Amino acid sequence: GAVVSQHPSRVICKSGTSVKIECRSLDFQATTMFWYRQFPKQSLMLMATSNEGSKATYEQGVEKDKFLINHASLTLSTLTVTSAHPEDSSFYICSASLGPSDYGYTFGSGTRLTVV
Amino acid sequence: DAKTTQPPSMDCAEGRAANLPCNHSTISGNEYVYWYRQIHSQGPQYIIHGLKNNETNEMASLIITEDRKSSTLILPHATLRDTAVYYCIVRVANTGNQFYFGTGTSLTVIP
Repeated sequence: GAVVSQHPSRVICKSGTSVKIECRSLDFQATTMFWYRQFPKQSLMLMATSNEGSKATYEQGVEKDKFLINHASLTLSTLTVTSAHPEDSSFYICSASLGPSDYGYTFGSGTRLTVV
Repeated sequence: DAKTTQPPSMDCAEGRAANLPCNHSTISGNEYVYWYRQIHSQGPQYIIHGLKNNETNEMASLIITEDRKSSTLILPHATLRDTAVYYCIVRVANTGNQFYFGTGTSLTVIP
């Protein structure tokens, strides 16, 4: 079946540094990918919609200059957390459409970011 | 997208059917009902979706009421590996349309 690969699965970084998370669709092309964030014991919160070849669309309250999204090809979207702080520590998950409009989306396995 | 209401938690005995309800009383005619689950520290996994007819696949069955204001996800023979948070989402089926997750139901399968 369709697979979305996310890398890295875990990352620890120091405050003030930037971290890049990759999301790849392995056996299909994804013109649209989505990025979510999930804090402990909470639900997934949509951060932004990533469109291949154009600027991402951010949800209200999400800082676009802090969470840089690049979707340069049909199989790769990246999320860069810039100048990370401890409050950015979270579980980040990407997803992509499987194809026809009523199909569900497939999700990556997530990236656990810890900022120390 | 319409809002959904799910019980925060449920228990189910191993081997028995797990019936997870979802209320979506404000669903509109072009919105589908989707079910996902999330096992701890993993990405959500697609289970099933439907518009108005009942649906069944290898994982589960989806029963949608005639007025479409509620639905039930049925796991016919729950196993310990089915312990997860189950999310019911309603969404207009459109490529590029986002999935907005509610709080879901935490299902615990008990040995």
